[in-house]
Amino acid sequence: GAGVSQTPSNKVTEKGKYVELRCDPISGHTALYWYRQSLGQGPEFLIYFQGTGAADDSGLPNDRFFAVRPEGSVSTLKIQRTERGDSAVYLCASSLLDGGAAGELFFGEGSRLTVL
Amino acid sequence: GNSVTQMEGPVTLSEEAFLTINCTYTATGYPSLFWYVQYPGEGLQLLLKATKADDKGSNKGFEATYRKETTSFHLEKGSVQVSDSAVYFCALRRAGKSTFGDGTTLTVKP
Repeated sequence: GAGVSQTPSNKVTEKGKYVELRCDPISGHTALYWYRQSLGQGPEFLIYFQGTGAADDSGLPNDRFFAVRPEGSVSTLKIQRTERGDSAVYLCASSLLDGGAAGELFFGEGSRLTVL
Repeated sequence: GNSVTQMEGPVTLSEEAFLTINCTYTATGYPSLFWYVQYPGEGLQLLLKATKADDKGSNKGFEATYRKETTSFHLEKGSVQVSDSAVYFCALRRAGKSTFGDGTTLTVKP
């Protein structure tokens, strides 16, 4: 498809387990973003890639969270030793323009993570 | 830091009523401003945007004007439809990072 694709759409895991969430952006979009959205709140910034490098990772809550984008396209958000407080919808977005311009963000439908 | 405050919901209106959803922001420098909408079962999508002071963004009958003096970007529509029922998010973008409000749920009844 032409949009941002996120997998899995739903993930249920147990406390302490490792989780990977995948994002496939729109072809040709150089900027990729990860956000986290808790119930009743707006998306919260986690990390932003320009190409292969993380341009801004200031939103990652702690060192259990890590994201990669090795070839400048698909990105994986990795969460180690999951905690119940990590339960949320993880949103990925991509953009044709970099952070300095008013580029529109194109969002995927999100990966809902539930940590039991 | 940057922040966005938007009108708390939920908002319930009858079809053809006038809609206003308030949004104010705090930011360093000169951000771009956006309204995103999330329809039931779908992902967030851009509704409209404005990149500088006094710009008016418009789409699908919705409008919002970038007011630097009041740091606001209120969303308006003159006549809402049932199909406008959704969650609306105000956002600002500065230095690559977008900051969102907590969303306002709109329900339009026939």
